[in-house]
Amino acid sequence: GAVVSQHPSWVICKSGTSVKIECRSLDFQATTMFWYRQFPKQSLMLMATSNEGSKATYEQGVEKDKFLINHASLTLSTLTVTSAHPEDSSFYICSAFPGRTYEQYFGPGTRLTVT
Amino acid sequence: GDSVTQMEGPVTLSEEAFLTINCTYTATGYPSLFWYVQYPGEGLQLLLKATKADDKGSNKGFEATYRKETTSFHLEKGSVQVSDSAVYFCALLRSNDYKLSFGAGTTVTVRA
Repeated sequence: GAVVSQHPSWVICKSGTSVKIECRSLDFQATTMFWYRQFPKQSLMLMATSNEGSKATYEQGVEKDKFLINHASLTLSTLTVTSAHPEDSSFYICSAFPGRTYEQYFGPGTRLTVT
Repeated sequence: GDSVTQMEGPVTLSEEAFLTINCTYTATGYPSLFWYVQYPGEGLQLLLKATKADDKGSNKGFEATYRKETTSFHLEKGSVQVSDSAVYFCALLRSNDYKLSFGAGTTVTVRA
């Protein structure tokens, strides 16, 4: 149980285009999902908190207009990287928080490469 | 704010050696503490956790004890295997907003 999926697992896009990444909790409902970014050989940086039915809250320094987050249902959150540039290339990881315990469940990550 | 300081790597060991990765934390309140493991090219997997002082988390031969007096949560394994090669992250869950704060990660390589 407690499986989180991400789609796609990797994506290559051209500079200036937008990319959508999906995060799904497969066997539980998650009122809260988190989006992280991980640079090579570095730790995870929390980008934003996504709550079902409300606007996402972004961490300081994260551009909300560039990283659009939508949490349309209790099992799906999407991250759209708008007008992507090479510096947006990174590993994006989501986690889902069901709220019953202290645990967050992580997706396998999406590797984005912008050329 | 709440934060985690983790021993920097990389750490290289021989098979069956003893592994310890130090982790200390700074927090207001009483956070839950976690160790996550990330294998190459994959996302994070929960390795073990402890939710209150003196709790010992254990899994796959790894152990860590929540030490409030020393604000530590060191990870240990008595005999590592090649398959333990991965990046290990210490993390705390902030009790006020359920956000995770991660340490920098420690890369562990185990040689046969």
